Amino acid sequence: EADIYQTPRYLVIGTGKKITLECSQTMGHDKMYWYQQDPGMELHLIHYSYGVNSTEKGDLSSESTVSRIRTEHFPLTLESARPSHTSQYLCASSELGGQGETTPTETQYFGPGTRLLVL
Amino acid sequence: KNQVEQSPQSLIILEGKNCTLQCNYTVSPFSNLRWYKQDTGRGPVSLTIMTFSENTKSNGRYTATLDADTKQSSLHITASQLSDSASYICVVSDRGSTLGRLYFGRGTQLTVWP
Repeated sequence: EADIYQTPRYLVIGTGKKITLECSQTMGHDKMYWYQQDPGMELHLIHYSYGVNSTEKGDLSSESTVSRIRTEHFPLTLESARPSHTSQYLCASSELGGQGETTPTETQYFGPGTRLLVL
Repeated sequence: KNQVEQSPQSLIILEGKNCTLQCNYTVSPFSNLRWYKQDTGRGPVSLTIMTFSENTKSNGRYTATLDADTKQSSLHITASQLSDSASYICVVSDRGSTLGRLYFGRGTQLTVWP
């Protein structure tokens, strides 16, 4: 069982509210990721980080922002939630490869996810 | 365009039966292929990982195969159990970027009935 945690697990909020989804891992992994997943669809990478003070946007355009002040913590923030943000958000972490690349044996460990519903 | 296609989209089998899930990909260059199991309401958990030179990899009742020439992989589940009910996701990694980008399939939703 991976030591990566997400809170809250479920969140129902109104349009326009600011929210922060928390993600923490105790494995000391340098690389962390945020994915968005809709039912029956593939995971889409929205943000990633190579380490402290490193944040990058992923493949899927997202209005969310992330920060990486501590190795173990990678929160995701939505300044003004909209119904289109309704989805499942998955956080993951992995160990950094030799040159910042995913090595053949590297595996991402996922948190349990946060299911967000914006009304 | 790099893609990962899985079939079938969903599958229902009886407890104790075997089944095989398919994954076809067009990702190039290729680094490795992973199969993940995702229980409802949970994050994916890695089952197997195979590199270019590996043809088969087992993890208990799960056996994955890889044909890098035809760009096909399969996940065989033996003697299915109720706890095998989940979505099984095929993930392919390229080696062309510093991130080692991952390409996710949409998954096969497996339901095991008693």
